[in-house]
Amino acid sequence: QQPVQSPQAVILREGEDAVINCSSSKALYSVHWYRQKHGEAPVFLMILLKGGEQKGHEKISASFNEKKQQSSLYLTASQLSYSGTYFCGTPAGISGNTGKLIFGQGTTLQVKP
Amino acid sequence: KAGVTQTPRYLIKTRGQQVTLSCSPISGHRSVSWYQQTPGQGLQFLFEYFSETQRNKGNFPGRFSGRQFSNSRSEMNVSTLELGDSALYLCASSLGTVTNEKLFFGSGTQLSVL
Repeated sequence: QQPVQSPQAVILREGEDAVINCSSSKALYSVHWYRQKHGEAPVFLMILLKGGEQKGHEKISASFNEKKQQSSLYLTASQLSYSGTYFCGTPAGISGNTGKLIFGQGTTLQVKP
Repeated sequence: KAGVTQTPRYLIKTRGQQVTLSCSPISGHRSVSWYQQTPGQGLQFLFEYFSETQRNKGNFPGRFSGRQFSNSRSEMNVSTLELGDSALYLCASSLGTVTNEKLFFGSGTQLSVL
């Protein structure tokens, strides 16, 4: 079952904050976050493995609540370079084998000057 | 270290034809996964190969097939192309031996079916 991301799109001004949510109707054992800039390959941001765990990348952090089966990506003081499409993904099975990731439909973030 | 290389970058084919896409993973990586990306469906998993064996498979028709060679390079083949096969095809490589490892994506092959 594909994770559901919200919102589908968001437009920000530089310096503003944003939150992208990823939820699943199935149990989540880990959540992976990737960012894809227009015309480029998706790039890994972070993996969250435990409930309540938070990790960070630049001024981007994320949380994972396995009880609620959801993860949130927090973009603080956004920069123009944050523009792109953000995907959350989860391994297909509990083994954590990343060979088969099921991705959400993506959230498009546009940061304006 | 060189990244994941996909060739060709663009392809234009007509319905009914077949196509082969190539992916060279990062040196030392043994797992290659393929994804189809379309505006409406997002990133859809096709299949994963590890040490020349298909280890995972997505929900795509049998027209989509792949293989992996002893040097870990992988090819994906689509036979009897349909208009709906127009998409960006991405491959991703990883070590394949560690759980919850990150994927390294190539820039993709943009396939247009006319």
